[in-house]
This record gives sequence, C-alpha cells and structure tokens, in this order.
Amino acid sequence: DTEVTQTPKHLVMGMTNKKSLKCEQHMGHRAMYWYKQKAKKPPELMFVYSYEKLSINESVPSRFSPECPNSSLLNLHLHALQPEDSALYLCASSQVARGRSKDTEAFFGQGTRLTVV
Amino acid sequence: AQRVTQPEKLLSVFKGAPVELKCNYSYSGSPELFWYVQYSRQRLQLLLRHISRESIKGFTADLNKGETSFHLKKPFAQEEDSAMYYCALARAGNMLTFGGGTRLMVKP
Repeated sequence: DTEVTQTPKHLVMGMTNKKSLKCEQHMGHRAMYWYKQKAKKPPELMFVYSYEKLSINESVPSRFSPECPNSSLLNLHLHALQPEDSALYLCASSQVARGRSKDTEAFFGQGTRLTVV
Repeated sequence: AQRVTQPEKLLSVFKGAPVELKCNYSYSGSPELFWYVQYSRQRLQLLLRHISRESIKGFTADLNKGETSFHLKKPFAQEEDSAMYYCALARAGNMLTFGGGTRLMVKP
C-alpha cells in the first residue's frame, strides 16, 4: 500500500464551525506533513511531524491545530477559519530523513478541498 | 532563505518536440532538488530527484550548481506528458519548498 488517504475530499464550513481533516498512511512512514495549496499556487508547508511529535510549525495561525495520534494518522483541526483559508490541504508522508534524502520520497494524498463560507 | 523559481507558467509544445522546463534555485546549503508532477485529477507524485541521477519516463534533470539550475528535459514530448510540473527543494530533511509550477501542454 503506497497511498496516503485523506478524508473528506471536499469540505464546506462556516467561520464559526469546528471541523477536522484526516490523513492516513500504512507505509510505516514516521514523518508526516501538512501543506496548503491555494488556487494556481504551489503547495506551501504548514506542519511537520517526526515520530509523532510536532517538529516544524511554519508560523501557521492557531486556528489550525495539528494532531498526530499515532504513526499512521495525522489530523488537522480547524476552528474559526476565515474565507481566505479556503484552499486544497495536502497531507504527505515519508521516511524520516537522515543525511542525504535519497530514501525520503514524499508521498502525497489527493487533498481535501476546503471552502470557508 | 531558500527559493525556487520556475519562470514559465505555461509551456506548449507539439508531440515529438524537445521539452525543457526551467528551474532555478537559491539556497545557502547543499541543495537537494526534485521534480514533482501532477497529472490531471491525480495526486502530486515524485518524478525524479537529482541525487539518484535517474531517467524517468524519458525525463532527465541535471543539477548545475554554478548556474543554480535544475532544468527538466525530455528529447521527444508525448501527449501523456501533459501535466503540471513542480520543481522542489528539500531543506533539513524532506521539507519541500516548491516553485510556482509549469503547466506543460503537448499538442498532437
């Protein structure tokens, strides 16, 4: 199984709602990532988890709250979002990089297309 | 700070023509560069990485540290190569910084 599965595929939420995005992989990868991709823009890194611990937060607003409950799952909890947060949210996983990253190909999910109304 | 630049948003070629997608980078450390591809309605996937010096689907890319470039080339484009191509730089492990992307259209 070389897939990263993201649910839901589409999500519409109001600015006062609380919702969660889910990501799952069974490749034994111990590094997992959240990226945000606005329309016609490249993906931008948000968070990195390494061995289930948050290792990088790219100055993401606190209305986005990541969680890694185990080595296969990654969640992104959303609360009080703004319309400008509407985007495609991509999850990725890889082996934890050591030295040169030859074996750290990142596998991406299909993404969750989020619309904040 | 790291930066990846893909100067062409759109590249249109005829089937059988050579293709070169440009990528330039700036990075203070030793760069690790990748090309990712996204076919229509499919997920982003790795095409090739400079460190393995491999050729995938006829594409090659050579890291030129002097010119800070990592251009993607293919001698004869095929219609199935039509896709969005992203050049990416890995920093501190596998945290990727992507270029703006180039949409390649191969016309019959």
